[in-house]
Amino acid sequence: EIVLTQSPATLSLSPGEGATLSCRASQSISIYLAWYQHKPGQAPRLLIYDASNRAPGIPARFSGSGSGTDFILTISSLEPEDFAVYYCQQRRNIRGAFGGGTKVEIK
Amino acid sequence: QVQLVESGGGVLRPGGSLRLSCAASGFTFSDYYMSWIRQAPGKGLEWISYISSSSSFTKYAESVTGRFTISRDNAKNSLYLQMSSLRAEDTGVYYCVRGGGPDYANYWGQGTQVTVSS
Repeated sequence: EIVLTQSPATLSLSPGEGATLSCRASQSISIYLAWYQHKPGQAPRLLIYDASNRAPGIPARFSGSGSGTDFILTISSLEPEDFAVYYCQQRRNIRGAFGGGTKVEIK
Repeated sequence: QVQLVESGGGVLRPGGSLRLSCAASGFTFSDYYMSWIRQAPGKGLEWISYISSSSSFTKYAESVTGRFTISRDNAKNSLYLQMSSLRAEDTGVYYCVRGGGPDYANYWGQGTQVTVSS
């Protein structure tokens, strides 16, 4: 089973600040990693796929990088609507597909 | 536009059974893998099952193997999840998702609540 570890668990930031979220895989997953945004009461939304490709309609302030075991989601300048929980997901194995999430909260 | 609408959730006792349905529209349903993903209260996301476009291949998380069965009817543009021997830990919101296998979860329904409680 592949284990995805996200850090930090919580990120307290102000609107306009940049955010850096980390996702580490227990074994190499090449570039087969996605990032999702999840707000309370809403369906999750795909942001990034294959580590660095923005999904259609996703603002340019969201970017992804990494390969192998270490991945980063960067939000260049937080908008009020960006405060949410972010999950990484690998598609190599259904078991352990998602990381535990990082909550980006308003400071 | 792509729409996924879940139904069938409810409250039931441990050991009970339930069938979730998902009505899909806005895309060629038979071209895509489909999945069920759930979120338990206060927990993260768990990918519990997916099915290939022609139903030839299915996959389950260990937590539901032997108790849940995923299926689809391409003629009806519908996805199903038959759940049996339900446990308290199966409580959560169940999302119908376009994706699975080689595809990421690029479209999600709004979810249906399943509560298992004595």
